[in-house]
This record gives sequence, structure tokens and C-alpha cells, in this order.
Amino acid sequence: AQTVTQSQPEMSVQEAETVTLSCTYDTSESDYYLFWYKQPPSRQMILVIRQEAYKQQNATENRFSVNFQKAAKSFSLKISDSQLGDAAMYFCASGGSNYKLTFGKGTLLTVNP
Amino acid sequence: GAVVSQHPSWVICKSGTSVKIECRSLDFQATTMFWYRQFPKKSLMLMATSNEGSKATYEQGVEKDKFLINHASLTLSTLTVTSAHPEDSSFYICSADYELAGGPDYEQYFGPGTRLTVT
Repeated sequence: AQTVTQSQPEMSVQEAETVTLSCTYDTSESDYYLFWYKQPPSRQMILVIRQEAYKQQNATENRFSVNFQKAAKSFSLKISDSQLGDAAMYFCASGGSNYKLTFGKGTLLTVNP
Repeated sequence: GAVVSQHPSWVICKSGTSVKIECRSLDFQATTMFWYRQFPKKSLMLMATSNEGSKATYEQGVEKDKFLINHASLTLSTLTVTSAHPEDSSFYICSADYELAGGPDYEQYFGPGTRLTVT
């Protein structure tokens, strides 16, 4: 079984600044994947970034990067140079051999101009 | 990129009737699709895993006779909410597992969702 915990229900950041969203997880699988999804008000789920657990190097996608601490089972998302369009609900998720995703409860990010 | 569509995007039905929601992978084949339910300001709750050519696998607590899933082809899965009641009103989202030539990619692409309102 997998569990994903997002301890920050809401976060806010000033435009152009950096914000970090926290996520911890637990899994019994040795091979698994971690994801951050963004859900804007349209409710379309958008993949932000993914991390294969077997890779030590932290994934990056433009302004988005993760801090993957495997031993601590931590997978935080850093958003640099925040933009108004980054405002959304962010979900951390883990996936394993059965291809199912387990989602955290989400963090609502507000970007202030 | 991989695109998943859902139809309809919004549906209103009367209590006691059935409603069908379609999920299509437009530019890739998906052996496995997933159906989620999401309440306002809540996370996604996995309802069932839809496998092409076989029976769906339902999560604990999900009534399989109420939520009928059919995965008739590699690009289409349907969710039918039977004898709908107001408590079935929710946002239903499907996703498709994107599979590479060498095997599964472990990455799901999501449809835009369907808002169901039962009156």
C-alpha cells in the first residue's frame, strides 16, 4: 500500500519569488515513481514533473524542480520565479507496479501580484 | 502529446436514471484506464481500474453494480452511473496509462473531467 501526505493545505507566494511545496510518502515497493500534478480552476490535471525512484538526480522542468530524498521519503516541489499562471491546486502522487496512482490531499497555491 | 478526452463535460440527469461517460485516448492506445471521483476542494479518489478486454477492478467501497465500467477498445472506456441519486453528483475524471513501445510508462494522462449533477 502507498500513502502520500501533503501537510500544507494552502500556500501563498509573491509573483517572481520561489515557493516550495512539501510531500512525504510511504511505499512498500522498491520500484516506484513520484509525480507532481497541477489542477487549475479548469480542473484539468496537468503533469508538472515526474521522478523515477531509482534515479538519484533530482528532476527539473524549466522553473519546476524537485528535492527527492529517498531515505527520508520526501519529495518536495520548488517553483522558481512564480507566475500568476502557477496558481492552482498541486497534488503529489506516487505510482508503483500496479500503475495506480495514490494522491495526496493537495496544496492550494496562491500567487500574489 | 498524449491527449485524453471525456464526453460529456457536464451532464444533468434525474434521480433514478442512468448516465454514461466516455473516456477516449485520442492519439495513443491505452490498455489500462482509470476512473476517479473528486469532490469539491478534495483530492482524487480512485474508483476503478479499467482493463481492455477484461473486467474492471474496483477499489474497496465502490459499488460495481452502480458504476459499470466497459473498456471495449484500446482507446475507449465508459463509466455508466446506474440509477443515479443526488449523492452520486460529483466530478468524474478518467486517465489513461501511456504505454511506450517497450512497456508501460507509468505516466497517466488525464481527461478534462465530467461534472455530473443528479436532481
